[in-house]
Amino acid sequence: DQQVKQNSPSLSVQEGRISILNCDYTNSMFDYFLWYKKYPAEGPTFLISISSIKDKNEDGRFTVFLNKSAKHLSLHIVPSQPGDSAVYFCAGEGYNNNDMRFGAGTRLTVKP
Amino acid sequence: NAGVTQTPKFQVLKTGQSMTLQCAQDMNHNSMYWYRQDPGMGLRLIYYSASEGTTDKGEVPNGYNVSRLNKREFSLRLESAAPSQTSVYFCASSVAGGPPLPEQYFGPGTRLTVT
Repeated sequence: DQQVKQNSPSLSVQEGRISILNCDYTNSMFDYFLWYKKYPAEGPTFLISISSIKDKNEDGRFTVFLNKSAKHLSLHIVPSQPGDSAVYFCAGEGYNNNDMRFGAGTRLTVKP
Repeated sequence: NAGVTQTPKFQVLKTGQSMTLQCAQDMNHNSMYWYRQDPGMGLRLIYYSASEGTTDKGEVPNGYNVSRLNKREFSLRLESAAPSQTSVYFCASSVAGGPPLPEQYFGPGTRLTVT
């Protein structure tokens, strides 16, 4: 039962353009969402989060949007840089406070 | 600060063998976690320890045991390895548990192959 889904396994964009990574979830009990970035042979690193009581959170080039009625969130990266090339995981925090459910990830490639 | 360290980085086991994956953090975090990552599945929580002296099952605990040795160290043991346990294992830590769940700091991972 995959409660968090990232339906695009990969995305390729040109340097300087916007990258939009999408995430859908099924568990309406999630009340906090996080995005992690992962480079090859490294562990994931935290990128940005959003509470379910908000619909937008911004941190520099990264903005996360949450649409609770559609159970959908997206991560926008503007402008995209080659160093952003990585796998991005979306995660929802479950009801028992230690149960974080991850999506399968989207591999972003930013071309110079 | 080394952050979260894991040993070994790579391991090959035969079916039925046992092994322990080691994890240590130097950030004085209370909570520690073990995940596995499989292709197309994202990361799935195996076990976690909300604080020293406590451990709880996550989403996929079968076939594993854990020990929170002290505040710094959290080990994962496979008593009788099976090919289905071939995966990349990540240890993580956070200041404390939720709510809301704070960011977790991950180690570099252990790539385990069971033949």
